[in-house]
Amino acid sequence: AQTVTQSQPEMSVQEAETVTLSCTYDTSESDYYLFWYKQPPSRQMILVIRQEAYKQQNATENRFSVNFQKAAKSFSLKISDSQLGDAAMYFCACSGTYKYIFGTGTRLKVLA
Amino acid sequence: DAGVIQSPRHEVTEMGQEVTLRCKPISGHDYLFWYRQTMMRGLELLIYFNNNVPIDDSGMPEDRFSAKMPNASFSTLKIQPSEPRDSAVYFCASSFRSSYNEQFFGPGTRLTVL
Repeated sequence: AQTVTQSQPEMSVQEAETVTLSCTYDTSESDYYLFWYKQPPSRQMILVIRQEAYKQQNATENRFSVNFQKAAKSFSLKISDSQLGDAAMYFCACSGTYKYIFGTGTRLKVLA
Repeated sequence: DAGVIQSPRHEVTEMGQEVTLRCKPISGHDYLFWYRQTMMRGLELLIYFNNNVPIDDSGMPEDRFSAKMPNASFSTLKIQPSEPRDSAVYFCASSFRSSYNEQFFGPGTRLTVL
């Protein structure tokens, strides 16, 4: 069975600062992908970043980057130069052969 | 591309009534997923289809829930009879070629059962 755990229900960051959201996962599959999705107040789920488990290099997308520690089954998201528009729920997800499993989410507040 | 389309955006109904939620996936996508989101349980996968065929419905909470995908461009999630505990936001998502790929989500349907 797959599980995804986000232990931080809520985080706050000052505008322009850096914040890291934590995620741990467990899967029995050897081939899997990891994702971070953002859900702003509009409710629309948007992909932030994706990491293939077979790749050692950490994925980056502009101000967003991940720290993928495969042995530790850890997949954290770093947001640099935080902006007010980054305020949202962030969901970590693990995708195996058959389905996605989402974490419970971390609500990120950005303080002006 | 219009993205994943869901209707209605909001639905308010009374306990015992039948509710039908609709989804149109992105053209060309061969995977379709139905999720339910609540504060208590987060985002739960209910069922998913590949090429219109249900692959895994283990997340469907009970027999009151059913889903169909009669063709590649349309899917429904039906609740009959509805109960107050079914109140949630229901999302439809689609992806191309593999469940490993990015899922594109619709705007969701907020269901309230009184």
